[in-house]
Amino acid sequence: NAGVMQNPRHLVRRRGQEARLRCSPMKGHSHVYWYRQLPEEGLKFMVYLQKENIIDESGMPKERFSAEFPKEGPSILRIQQVVRGDSAAYFCASSPLRTDTQYFGPGTRLTVL
Amino acid sequence: SQQGEEDPQALSIQEGENATMNCSYKTSINNLQWYRQNSGRGLVHLILIRSNEREKHSGRLRVTLDTSKKSSSLLITASRAADTASYFCATDEGNFGNEKLTFGTGTRLTIIP
Repeated sequence: NAGVMQNPRHLVRRRGQEARLRCSPMKGHSHVYWYRQLPEEGLKFMVYLQKENIIDESGMPKERFSAEFPKEGPSILRIQQVVRGDSAAYFCASSPLRTDTQYFGPGTRLTVL
Repeated sequence: SQQGEEDPQALSIQEGENATMNCSYKTSINNLQWYRQNSGRGLVHLILIRSNEREKHSGRLRVTLDTSKKSSSLLITASRAADTASYFCATDEGNFGNEKLTFGTGTRLTIIP
């Protein structure tokens, strides 16, 4: 059973461009979570999704950030018009049930030039 | 202090010694989890302890939870060089438990061979 997959592992964007981060949950997992980690800090919750639904987006910045988890395919975290402050590691986690352990992917390291 | 704050921030010990890390939190929780993160990598789930449990073991790991003091400790016995990593505690804040994890800033553990 493959773990949580994230791609790309590293992403470089110039200011103003768009960043798309993908997350494929573990097989059988229908709950997906996105977290952001700044250097030397812990992870900060961004959004929690189930298939086709956003359950909790209380950690998402109000502008430029969006997330989806379609019926088919991976979950996507989209950052429009990136700024240098968006540079961070973005981690995706998945769980089979709402109250289960969250299993994390390897992360996508976004660098904004 | 933040929800899920670890102490100490950094710890260096000789291989073979025991390592103890502490975590304090502020609000009521359903469960508390410990994760390990190797430098530049994703998070590996170590252990989950529920609010009605006081102690849990997994291999060389021992976790305690004191809900009256809102604190937890992670003990790694007979440390190995491979244990060198950052360790995070995470508490749940969701209405149903576990969908939104709050992480501390972590303890950086270095095992000296």
